[in-house]
Amino acid sequence: KAGVTQTPRYLIKTRGQQVTLSCSPISGHRSVSWYQQTPGQGLQFLFEYFSETQRNKGNFPGRFSGRQFSNSRSEMNVSTLELGDSALYLCASSQGGLNNGYTFGSGTRLTVV
Amino acid sequence: DAKTTQPPSMDCAEGRAANLPCNHSTISGNEYVYWYRQIHSQGPQYIIHGLKNNETNEMASLIITEDRKSSTLILPHATLRDTAVYYCIVLITAGNKLTFGGGTRVLVKP
Repeated sequence: KAGVTQTPRYLIKTRGQQVTLSCSPISGHRSVSWYQQTPGQGLQFLFEYFSETQRNKGNFPGRFSGRQFSNSRSEMNVSTLELGDSALYLCASSQGGLNNGYTFGSGTRLTVV
Repeated sequence: DAKTTQPPSMDCAEGRAANLPCNHSTISGNEYVYWYRQIHSQGPQYIIHGLKNNETNEMASLIITEDRKSSTLILPHATLRDTAVYYCIVLITAGNKLTFGGGTRVLVKP
């Protein structure tokens, strides 16, 4: 079956702009989580959605937001981009229970110049 | 959140077993131990997870101590393609988030 699909794979944006990243989970998976990976901070949790509701949120400023649609696809938005937002953004999907593994996509590499 | 402690790096000879330790002394009774690996900035790849009992799948074995304060991931016959950063994670029950630590950078040498 198809894996987790993230688009686009690469993105270059200018400071102050906003960006929207997309994640299509594995069919049947209702939970979608987002992570940011940088060389300095490693992998950090952004937020998790389940059935269109945000269930948990990490310690990121309000410029980072997300949503989930009825088909479980999810989008993440970052407004007023800063140079420090340059990172690999990863999406992971799961069936939603605690005993289910998370499958990650290949990520979107965002560069802010 | 329960924290995990792993050695920052280790080398392993190709064809030999690789034993990756992880300490999670503050783990709660109903929290799972997950192992992922990440190869060269690809998305992390799920390896195995467990609660109390030892687990085995086609990729690896997971040995969890009886007190659940530590675990060991065993790659039975390491290959060069197993070179990666390996993350030991405790999945917190209320929040469904994976808290990644620094991981162990494993280098499999010929």
